[in-house]
Amino acid sequence: QQQVKQSPQSLIVQKGGISIINCAYENTAFDYFPWYQQFPGKGPALLIAIRPDVSEKKEGRFTISFNKSAKQFSLHIMDSQPGDSATYFCAASKGSARQLTFGSGTQLTVLP
Amino acid sequence: EPEVTQTPSHQVTQMGQEVILRCVPISNHLYFYWYRQILGQKVEFLVSFYNNEISEKSEIFDDQFSVERPDGSNFTLKIRSTKLEDSAMYFCASRTEGNTIYFGEGSWLTVV
Repeated sequence: QQQVKQSPQSLIVQKGGISIINCAYENTAFDYFPWYQQFPGKGPALLIAIRPDVSEKKEGRFTISFNKSAKQFSLHIMDSQPGDSATYFCAASKGSARQLTFGSGTQLTVLP
Repeated sequence: EPEVTQTPSHQVTQMGQEVILRCVPISNHLYFYWYRQILGQKVEFLVSFYNNEISEKSEIFDDQFSVERPDGSNFTLKIRSTKLEDSAMYFCASRTEGNTIYFGEGSWLTVV
């Protein structure tokens, strides 16, 4: 019930293409869904986040789509760039402590 | 931009030895966390700390682990008797009353 399932495990996209990463959760108590970007040897950095009362949120080239009834959310990276090559983690949190439950990560490679 | 700082960046220790990982959270933050990431795997929650006490902890955070905020600025994770399986990147994180959790760059622990 606490798991967040993420797919695909790895993704290769051409420069300028759209990268799509999907996540699914089971616990309906989750009420905050961030995406984190992690470069090798670095800590996760918040990219974009959404709450379940919104179906879509866009920030620049990054968009989260949220489907509350299906308990799924996805990250779309438009016009993908080689500098976007990193590992992306979806996550979910709930409760007063708001600790994050992370997905298993997607290693994105954007080819020049 | 304020950031979470962690020391050491890398530590090698003998199995059975005690290790202390140190963190300076962002100054006005109220909630503090430790997460770990075994090489190539997802980020896992260890413990959250608020108002000078543990608010949540995971199954990983057993009696070998402890946390302390000794002086109002530092936040430490102690592992009393390290095991080989404790080898991982340990991330400190913090947040204000909001949802966004900010991560440090991590302390890489190698137990030999």
